[in-house]
Amino acid sequence: DAGVIQSPRHEVTEMGQEVTLRCKPISGHNSLFWYRQTMMRGLELLIYFNNNVPIDDSGMPEDRFSAKMPNASFSTLKIQPSEPRDSAVYFCASRWGQENTGELFFGEGSRLTVL
Amino acid sequence: KNQVEQSPQSLIILEGKNCTLQCNYTVSPFSNLRWYKQDTGRGPVSLTIMTFSENTKSNGRYTATLDADTKQSSLHITASQLSDSASYICVVSARGSGDKLTFGTGTRLAVRP
Repeated sequence: DAGVIQSPRHEVTEMGQEVTLRCKPISGHNSLFWYRQTMMRGLELLIYFNNNVPIDDSGMPEDRFSAKMPNASFSTLKIQPSEPRDSAVYFCASRWGQENTGELFFGEGSRLTVL
Repeated sequence: KNQVEQSPQSLIILEGKNCTLQCNYTVSPFSNLRWYKQDTGRGPVSLTIMTFSENTKSNGRYTATLDADTKQSSLHITASQLSDSASYICVVSARGSGDKLTFGTGTRLAVRP
């Protein structure tokens, strides 16, 4: 398997623009997670889906952030409008199995820079 | 509040030497503890997952220990190699917390020739 695939790997945009990050989880995995990583705060969970249904989005910073998972093989994280403080590396991860115990597989991340 | 503290924040060692990274947590009730390795510019990769009943787990030159009583874990790296240079992240999950994991901010290890 190719692992969790994220795109784009790098995105540079200007404040106010819309940003869409994409993720393809590992085939057969039933949970998908979006994380944000910064130097100051480390990895933070934004939202996660189980069987394509959003379970917990309490980590989403504000209404400018939205995430969808229209099917088992694709998810998007959208930021509209983007702000400089959104600059970070965004990771997607997927897992199969029981809540809280299955191994998480991370993608390579999307590095976002908002000018 | 659930927290995971790692030490040291950064570490430099010579190739071939051993080192130990520390993780203290206040997550409760405890479910499991994981160590991840994150190479620069890459996503984290799982090294070990330990449950309450496990106090030692090895993965090649990596050995993780867990003391659930003192809420401490360590990751010992034996005979370090240049490829061990990375950030090592301790992650703890609580029972009943859904899939919410508490992440440490990591220890950045540099192995020098």
